[in-house]
Amino acid sequence: GENVEQHPSTLSVQEGDSAVIKCTYSDSASNYFPWYKQELGKRPQLIIDIRSNVGEKKDQRIAVTLNKTAKHFSLHITETQPEDSAVYFCAAASGDNQGGKLIFGQGTELSVKP
Amino acid sequence: ETGVTQSPTHLIKTRGQQVTLRCSSQSGHNTVSWYQQALGQGPQFIFQYYREEENGRGNFPPRFSGLQFPNYSSELNVNALELDDSALYLCASSLYGGPYNSPLHFGNGTRLTVT
Repeated sequence: GENVEQHPSTLSVQEGDSAVIKCTYSDSASNYFPWYKQELGKRPQLIIDIRSNVGEKKDQRIAVTLNKTAKHFSLHITETQPEDSAVYFCAAASGDNQGGKLIFGQGTELSVKP
Repeated sequence: ETGVTQSPTHLIKTRGQQVTLRCSSQSGHNTVSWYQQALGQGPQFIFQYYREEENGRGNFPPRFSGLQFPNYSSELNVNALELDDSALYLCASSLYGGPYNSPLHFGNGTRLTVT
């Protein structure tokens, strides 16, 4: 069935370093890949997304890359700051454009140490 | 522009009881999706509503049901509560056309505890 695998489950970096989180998806029809940041006790917040017609998207310190052939996509955070500490979820849109759902990965707990 | 609002924020129920959770969609959004997030897990799709009809469902039993009202707000009902139903229930609103056309924005969720 539809599945999204996310690695690593935990990631600890020093402030100022880069962080990379990787996801693979199983449904070759997936065409939309968002990333959500969830702080403890709060809602998932959309931080960046990419559609299948592009290979890379960047927004300030955050970038996402997509490899449709290999069915994997990655989140890159540069110059990490303590406020980047949170759980990050990747997701893939599965289903047609008329009612697709998001399939989420298991999450990566990012800890940025000052 | 008002975001997605959910009520109540927390709820404690006993096994076997029934519960109703409520969601008001973001202004201008006509589609509501519900997700269940167990502790330490990613959200799992329950179902989606558009024009007051369910138009997509995940792997959840029939005791999970929903409604959408003409103002696009929505309810999630769970009957015969089980301990495993304890989770954060998230509502997300969007425009019709799936996440590709309209990114999902989540509410703060309802934390349900079943004892």
